[in-house]
Amino acid sequence: ELKVEQNPLFLSMQEGKNYTIYCNYSTTSDRLYWYRQDPGKSLESLFVLLSNGAVKQEGRLMASLDTKARLSTLHITAAVHDLSATYFCAVCQGAQKLVFGQGTRLTINP
Amino acid sequence: EAQVTQNPRYLITVTGKKLTVTCSQNMNHEYMSWYRQDPGLGLRQIYYSMNVEVTDKGDVPEGYKVSRKEKRNFPLILESPSPNQTSLYFCASRPQALAKNIQYFGAGTRLSVL
Repeated sequence: ELKVEQNPLFLSMQEGKNYTIYCNYSTTSDRLYWYRQDPGKSLESLFVLLSNGAVKQEGRLMASLDTKARLSTLHITAAVHDLSATYFCAVCQGAQKLVFGQGTRLTINP
Repeated sequence: EAQVTQNPRYLITVTGKKLTVTCSQNMNHEYMSWYRQDPGLGLRQIYYSMNVEVTDKGDVPEGYKVSRKEKRNFPLILESPSPNQTSLYFCASRPQALAKNIQYFGAGTRLSVL
């Protein structure tokens, strides 16, 4: 059974700093998704990572995938308050199912 | 505009009183799914449907039913709700093939069972 674990689960950081959220998963998969959720809102798709070594960047966020290590990272560069949210990774199990991590609640303080 | 629409957004009910949460999508997607979100547990899949009249259990199906009579609609039915079904529920849809295709999520339904 596929297990997906994120760490940290809570992260409080200052504006302007860099940090990384980690997503580990337990069985082989070559497709991984990152989502953002604002308080009281739905999930917004950020990145789709489809192969080993894939790297995607959007603004201050960069996601990467290492399928051999079963690890994805979401790196935040020079954080700004607007990036405060909960971030989820989700890993494909088979052809049809997504298994989500617990989520990382990110708070960025001025 | 591409949308997944859930209703109601908020619902308070009592134990044992049957309820239905509706979900509709306007993107002609084959695949639809229901999740529940609980603190510290992320999203867990309840049921999914790969097309009309094709449904299957996810990870936490107990106490829930679904139906897929039309492509655009995928209602979630709680025949006899219990307090442990108090949660935030999301409906999602996407084209059939998972590779490259993102899931679109509805706005969520916050359910409280007293």
